[in-house]
Amino acid sequence: AQKVTQAQTEISVVEKEDVTLDCVYETRDTTYYLFWYKQPPSGELVFLIRRNSFDEQNEISGRYSWNFQKSTSSFNFTITASQVVDSAVYFCALSEEETSGSRLTFGEGTQLTVNP
Amino acid sequence: DAGVIQSPRHEVTEMGQEVTLRCKPISGHDYLFWYRQTMMRGLELLIYFNNNVPIDDSGMPEDRFSAKMPNASFSTLKIQPSEPRDSAVYFCASSDGLAGGTGELFFGEGSRLTVL
Repeated sequence: AQKVTQAQTEISVVEKEDVTLDCVYETRDTTYYLFWYKQPPSGELVFLIRRNSFDEQNEISGRYSWNFQKSTSSFNFTITASQVVDSAVYFCALSEEETSGSRLTFGEGTQLTVNP
Repeated sequence: DAGVIQSPRHEVTEMGQEVTLRCKPISGHDYLFWYRQTMMRGLELLIYFNNNVPIDDSGMPEDRFSAKMPNASFSTLKIQPSEPRDSAVYFCASSDGLAGGTGELFFGEGSRLTVL
């Protein structure tokens, strides 16, 4: 069975600090996809990144970066020089291609608060 | 494209009443998903469709819940009779099913249901 764990329920930082959101997953499949979504206070879910299980290269997009490590089953998300607008709930999610098609299993989410 | 469109955005009803939530997926997307978000259970998949056919409804809580997709551009989630524990935000999402069905999910803004 697939499972996603985000151990950090809440994180509070001061603007310009770097912050890392942890994500650990469990799956029996060799082919799977990992995602991060952002849910700002307005409530919508915004796609940030998708990574497949065969691509362990880290990715950087502006102030965002992702560290995928199969050896530890982790897909961590770092925000550099955080800003107040980064305040949101961030969800990590997993999709197992072989057994569940497009369905996503979400972690519990991490509430990030960036204070001015 | 207008994105995934859900209605109503907010619904307040009394216990025992029928509730119908509606979703229009992004044109051309073959997959449609209904998720429910609560504080206690987080984001959980209720049901998903591929080419208008229900693929997996194992997440539907009980017989009071039903979902239909009569055509590629419309889906409904119905709760009859509603109960206070059904209070949640219900998200509809669609996907073009890239890479074996694990493409990005595009979410609607959600329907916030309150059952008194």
